[in-house]
Amino acid sequence: GEDVEQSLFLSVREGDSSVINCTYTDSSSTYLYWYKQEPGAGLQLLTYIFSNMDMKQDQRLTVLLNKKDKHLSLRIADTQTGDSAIYFCAGYILTGGGNKLTFGTGTQLKVEL
Amino acid sequence: NAGVTQTPKFRVLKTGQSMTLLCAQDMNHEYMYWYRQDPGMGLRLIHYSVGEGTTAKGEVPDGYNVSRLKKQNFLLGLESAAPSQTSVYFCASSYSYQGEQYFGPGTRLTVT
Repeated sequence: GEDVEQSLFLSVREGDSSVINCTYTDSSSTYLYWYKQEPGAGLQLLTYIFSNMDMKQDQRLTVLLNKKDKHLSLRIADTQTGDSAIYFCAGYILTGGGNKLTFGTGTQLKVEL
Repeated sequence: NAGVTQTPKFRVLKTGQSMTLLCAQDMNHEYMYWYRQDPGMGLRLIHYSVGEGTTAKGEVPDGYNVSRLKKQNFLLGLESAAPSQTSVYFCASSYSYQGEQYFGPGTRLTVT
């Protein structure tokens, strides 16, 4: 399978919570990252978690890290239409080409009224 | 402080033509990267640089060349464009190894 996997789509109603999941095969990352990409724009760092933490909260964002299961999730509380974007998880993964920042395929979040 | 800028924003090439994409950063970052983004495949690293005068291959380097003659600039070249190189290209930079990467706005390239 892929080194970093995400589901491709998520649709939620405005005001609900969104949970975006990510699994990875291996990681030597000091940090694991969540990036947000709005239409026609580059990626912007949304939040990150230190690899020895299991949770980080930042306003409406909660990141959960389960190192045993190699699972990372991003929860957005009170999701707004402005949160509609593609969300990428990323971490430094040991691949055949060395230790590189590897991105998941991205999850497109659609927020409906 | 402009961050990371890329030129051009859009380009259409015919098969076999060449072009150079320019990336510039004003944050004095040592590390710079070129990625391509294709639907359903996330971002894939083409080449990267760990400092002025250095370059290294990433995950998908074939058909591309790069140069880092100045610390603030990282150039990506396509010598003979192919339709498979139709993609959105992103440049990024970071201060340190495993540091936060800052991304440019992207260049949308179409090869016909």
